[in-house]
Amino acid sequence: GQSLEQPSEVTAVEGAIVQINCTYQTSGFYGLSWYQQHDGGAPTFLSYNALDGLEETGRFSSFLSRSDSYGYLLLQELQMKDSASYFCAVTGGAGNMLTFGGGTRLMVKP
Amino acid sequence: KAGVTQTPRYLIKTRGQQVTLSCSPISGHRSVSWYQQTPGQGLQFLFEYFSETQRNKGNFPGRFSGRQFSNSRSEMNVSTLELGDSALYLCASSLEGGFYGYTFGSGTRLTVV
Repeated sequence: GQSLEQPSEVTAVEGAIVQINCTYQTSGFYGLSWYQQHDGGAPTFLSYNALDGLEETGRFSSFLSRSDSYGYLLLQELQMKDSASYFCAVTGGAGNMLTFGGGTRLMVKP
Repeated sequence: KAGVTQTPRYLIKTRGQQVTLSCSPISGHRSVSWYQQTPGQGLQFLFEYFSETQRNKGNFPGRFSGRQFSNSRSEMNVSTLELGDSALYLCASSLEGGFYGYTFGSGTRLTVV
């Protein structure tokens, strides 16, 4: 089976940098994704890492270490609109299914 | 291009009834997955369809079923509804099933009373 662990809540101030960690256990691994979900909204795709290293997309970066079964999402220059839940998800297992972690609720304070 | 469309947006049903939810994926996307989201359990995988075939199934009872049509549109059905089935049901589509990200619909909020 597959399981993912990420912190349930993180609080940071506007303009700061925050890192959301994700560790996973999976039988078969293709990649690690990150999704953002605002209250009442649908999850939206942020990034996908299939190989070790850092992927940067604007203010957001995502990192993967396959040997450590670990990844993180880095959010820079935090804005109030970044307050949302962030989910890591693993693509793997039978049939390449996508399994989500429990989500990290990020609160950005002024 | 149009996103993933789920209908209806809201639904109220009585215990014991059945319900059918619909999902139209992004044009060209052949993979459609369904998720149940509740405050306590997070995003739980229900099943995935690819080119009309169920490719994966999560740990849900047989009351939960789905299908995909030749135009990639998908439906999921829940029979004999229970109070615990109250949740947001999300549909997501992708080209090949997760490798390059899923696009989610806005979901159907099901309330069972």
